Amino acid sequence: ILNVEQSPQSLHVQEGDSTNFTCSFPSSNFYALHWYRWETAKSPEALFVMTLNGDEKKKGRISATLNTKEGYSYLYIKGSQPEDSATYLCAFYSGNTPLVFGKGTRLSVIA
Amino acid sequence: DAGITQSPRHKVTETGTPVTLRCHQTENHRYMYWYRQDPGHGLRLIHYSYGVKDTDKGEVSDGYSVSRSKTEDFLLTLESATSSQTSVYFCAIGGTSGRAHTGELFFGEGSRLTVL
Repeated sequence: ILNVEQSPQSLHVQEGDSTNFTCSFPSSNFYALHWYRWETAKSPEALFVMTLNGDEKKKGRISATLNTKEGYSYLYIKGSQPEDSATYLCAFYSGNTPLVFGKGTRLSVIA
Repeated sequence: DAGITQSPRHKVTETGTPVTLRCHQTENHRYMYWYRQDPGHGLRLIHYSYGVKDTDKGEVSDGYSVSRSKTEDFLLTLESATSSQTSVYFCAIGGTSGRAHTGELFFGEGSRLTVL
């Protein structure tokens, strides 16, 4: 059974703070690593898909890095805003089975 | 907007009754999935389909069945609903051309089911 771990489980930060969280995944049979943003009462939306070791992706104030050799990815949010409050999911793809999701990191940004 | 519609969006039912949730897509994606969302568990895969009449079990398939008689529709059925099946159910689609190489999914808006 593939195991995808995310930490921390939840996080409270002040508006303007920068923050980051971690996704750990199997380092073997790697095909792709996904980050999704999931706002309360909405559906998950894709943020990034990363496939190569060393990949860095950026979208506005949010960026992600990937290390496939050691099996981890970091998501960074610079200058957090209240609208960044959401659950951030990562998901591991091995290429021949469905995505395996972590349990998510729930971010609350306090104004 | 990935063209995914779930119905019903909200349903309250009683223990022991059958329930069917429908997922309809207009994107011609090959793969369709049903997940459930529960506090502390994130998203857990119930069943998925990789083509018409081709389905497979996910992590939490007990008590659920699925059918896919045409590309655009994927039905999730609870033959005899139990309180433990109270959850939010998400349909997802993926696996068309380049998307198949990364596993990227697009999600519906969710169906909230309450079993009393």
